[in-house]
Amino acid sequence: GESVGLHLPTLSVQEGDNSIINCAYSNSASDYFIWYKQESGKGPQFIIDIRSNMDKRQGQRVTVLLNKTVKHLSLQIAATQPGDSAVYFCAENINSGYSTLTFGKGTMLLVSP
Amino acid sequence: NAGVTQTPKFQVLKTGQSMTLQCAQDMNHEYMSWYRQDPGMGLRLIHYSVGAGITDQGEVPNGYNVSRSTTEDFPLRLLSAAPSQTSVYFCASSYSRRNSPLHFGNGTRLTVT
Repeated sequence: GESVGLHLPTLSVQEGDNSIINCAYSNSASDYFIWYKQESGKGPQFIIDIRSNMDKRQGQRVTVLLNKTVKHLSLQIAATQPGDSAVYFCAENINSGYSTLTFGKGTMLLVSP
Repeated sequence: NAGVTQTPKFQVLKTGQSMTLQCAQDMNHEYMSWYRQDPGMGLRLIHYSVGAGITDQGEVPNGYNVSRSTTEDFPLRLLSAAPSQTSVYFCASSYSRRNSPLHFGNGTRLTVT
């Protein structure tokens, strides 16, 4: 819920702007990445994923970019809307025998009308 | 499809009490997992299951038990609640353990006094 947003970095944008949310991942062996959106009082919602053999993937109004050289992931949201206000976090799947998703702490996106 | 359903939404326990958090999914997913989410921290894995009859520990398993008697259900038991277990708990499922997005329930907010 709302306590998820405490102490998180915040990105404030105006409605209609494009938003870019960044994520530095931890393990060079990670081979699968996901972006989630979490609204207050709800569970994380899947937005888009990308495998390590890709540099870019596009969805509806969203684009994920992967830079394996510097272990960096970004989520671009086009024409940001007030309904996009939420906490966004990335997750990485490390390519190991008992691999599970590891989640980042997130960024809060605030969209002003 | 209802997706992942968690009950209850809210729960208050006294220290030492036990309870079970329920989780059910109707997507025929093999992989299910439990996470806890605390302010300022990412989602942390408690326990997971790769199929009926198979469970394993995650990052923070102490004080919790799980079982997986059916594909659909994956309950989380708190054996003797402690204030440190105050958190928001999320159940999630996915088609497979690897390279497959997790689908989350809307969480159970637990307070232990």
